[in-house]
Amino acid sequence: GESVGLHLPTLSVQEGDNSIINCAYSNSASDYFIWYKQESGKGPQFIIDIRSNMDKRQGQRVTVLLNKTVKHLSLQIAATQPGDSAVYFCAENRGQAGTALIFGKGTTLSVSS
Amino acid sequence: DTAVSQTPKYLVTQMGNDKSIKCEQNLGHDTMYWYKQDSKKFLKIMFSYNNKELIINETVPNRFSPKSPDKAHLNLHINSLELGDSAVYFCASSKYRQGETQYFGPGTRLLVL
Repeated sequence: GESVGLHLPTLSVQEGDNSIINCAYSNSASDYFIWYKQESGKGPQFIIDIRSNMDKRQGQRVTVLLNKTVKHLSLQIAATQPGDSAVYFCAENRGQAGTALIFGKGTTLSVSS
Repeated sequence: DTAVSQTPKYLVTQMGNDKSIKCEQNLGHDTMYWYKQDSKKFLKIMFSYNNKELIINETVPNRFSPKSPDKAHLNLHINSLELGDSAVYFCASSKYRQGETQYFGPGTRLLVL
């Protein structure tokens, strides 16, 4: 079936490195993508989003890239900090208002000092 | 300042009991959702409501009944709890427009013994 998936379940980096978290999706009709960060014991927190008419969007220390040709989404975190340690989820939204987010399986990012 | 709040945060109960989880949002949104996160951290939609009307009802046992007294509240009532209901339940809300960000509550950790 169609799903949003992630390439790696875990990623370990050193403080100050750049991190790249990847996500593949299978539904070419998806038009809205979101990255969430979930810290231990908390709910998913919005990081950044991108619509299908864009290839790149930048936020504070984060960049999302969308490659519609290969149905690939990535989240880049610059100068990763220990506070960035969390589980990161990509999610896609398909179609009409009020529809559910379809989540990928999550990548656990561990940042060591 | 709380945007999406849930009560209780923790819920430990015996099999066969009936329990409710409450959710409130003060973001002025008109669409609310319930998601379930399993032990592998996979997030999946259960229900969504727009302005007190049910718009999504995924394949969820009818022991689960959402109730929306007004557009700022979406409660989840669970009858005859089973061991497999143990999970983290997240409430979320958004505006009722295509491609709107969903904001999540802190979660309710349900453990059925």
